[in-house]
Amino acid sequence: GQNIDQPTEMTATEGAIVQINCTYQTSGFNGLFWYQQHAGEAPTFLSYNVLDGLEEKGRFSSFLSRSKGYSYLLLKELQMKDSASYLCAVMDSNYQLIWGAGTKLIIKP
Amino acid sequence: IAGITQAPTSQILAAGRRMTLRCTQDMRHNAMYWYRQDLGLGLRLIHYSNTAGTTGKGEVPDGYSVSRANTDDFPLTLASAVPSQTSVYFCASSETGTGGTDTQYFGPGTRLTVL
Repeated sequence: GQNIDQPTEMTATEGAIVQINCTYQTSGFNGLFWYQQHAGEAPTFLSYNVLDGLEEKGRFSSFLSRSKGYSYLLLKELQMKDSASYLCAVMDSNYQLIWGAGTKLIIKP
Repeated sequence: IAGITQAPTSQILAAGRRMTLRCTQDMRHNAMYWYRQDLGLGLRLIHYSNTAGTTGKGEVPDGYSVSRANTDDFPLTLASAVPSQTSVYFCASSETGTGGTDTQYFGPGTRLTVL
């Protein structure tokens, strides 16, 4: 079966760095996406990885290791507005997204 | 209009009633999707359409139907609602539906409660 695993909840301090991990087992791989979802709102696109390595975009970076079925999202210089759920999704061989349940990130002052 | 709109924002529905959730996009995207999001679960694909005139079944299609008469609109119909269909429904669109870099963009969602 297809499976995406990520921690249910994480807590971090304003100004710090946090890493949210995602492991996956899917039928085929056409890329991995990270989305941010604030409570009561729609998911919004953060990053896309298809090759191994690190993609940096401002305070957010995303890493992929296809051989390990593993990705992480790194958030630096945390701000209170970063309190949200972070969703990991893998595009399978049919170009459909398989979604993890999301990681709720709580930022404390 | 900019992006994707959904209507209604929320709805309380009696079991057994028929309901259509509306979705419209103005980005001229070929592909559109319907997901449901339930607490503790990832987004689950209900139905999708890669181009006007075609539709396909996702992971959880039972009890739902869709149509794609034109590029912009992708309504989702619950023929006879049941309480297990209580959920938040998101419509999304992407440029092609068949490319690895094909980013999906989401509407604001419809919160549906079936009693």
